[in-house]
Amino acid sequence: DAMVIQNPRYQVTQFGKPVTLSCSQTLNHNVMYWYQQKSSQAPKLLFHYYDKDFNNEADTPDNFQSRRPNTSFCFLDIRSPGLGDAAMYLCATSRGLLAAAGTQYFGPGTRLTVL
Amino acid sequence: AQSVTQLGSHVSVSEGALVLLRCNYSSSVPPYLFWYVQYPNQGLQLLLKYTSAATLVKGINGFEAEFKKSETSFHLTKPSAHMSDAAEYFCAVTLVGGDKIIFGKGTRLHILP
Repeated sequence: DAMVIQNPRYQVTQFGKPVTLSCSQTLNHNVMYWYQQKSSQAPKLLFHYYDKDFNNEADTPDNFQSRRPNTSFCFLDIRSPGLGDAAMYLCATSRGLLAAAGTQYFGPGTRLTVL
Repeated sequence: AQSVTQLGSHVSVSEGALVLLRCNYSSSVPPYLFWYVQYPNQGLQLLLKYTSAATLVKGINGFEAEFKKSETSFHLTKPSAHMSDAAEYFCAVTLVGGDKIIFGKGTRLHILP
């Protein structure tokens, strides 16, 4: 089945130790999103790629970076994780802009713990 | 700027009872509206969406929502709650021409036996 896959599902890192979260999709969607979701809160958009064009949200900390080497894969890099970065990280895709009423398809998320 | 407000961070209903989750939107132009469901430690799954066609939208798992422009509302309903409906529900909005979706804060639905 076509889907959005996130690896790993659970990630533990140490304070200040760089970590990379992975997302892949078999939907061939041209837009990929990264969200941060803290406990009992709404998902917060960090950035998205429209094809190779990177779109960063204004309030996303510089500590968060992203790479999209090809259509299928997108990575979230946290350069120096702090305790406040512990959260669920959700990857999502859509075919084109949401203006076309495209649906976002979400992966299962990666829960990041920072020790 | 568009936004959504979900009334009630927690809602409890008895199994078999009506489910009503409230969502009001703020938008200066007609929006697209969505309801997503999130089960524990899972991603979000689309329940239904409104895209300016029929005002009553039917979704998966027996849920439906009605777009009421006069009330700027898009409440989610289900006639008879099931234990498996226990989850977090997010209302969301995007504008025509927009490239991102704005989520409400979510409502956690509890089903009482």
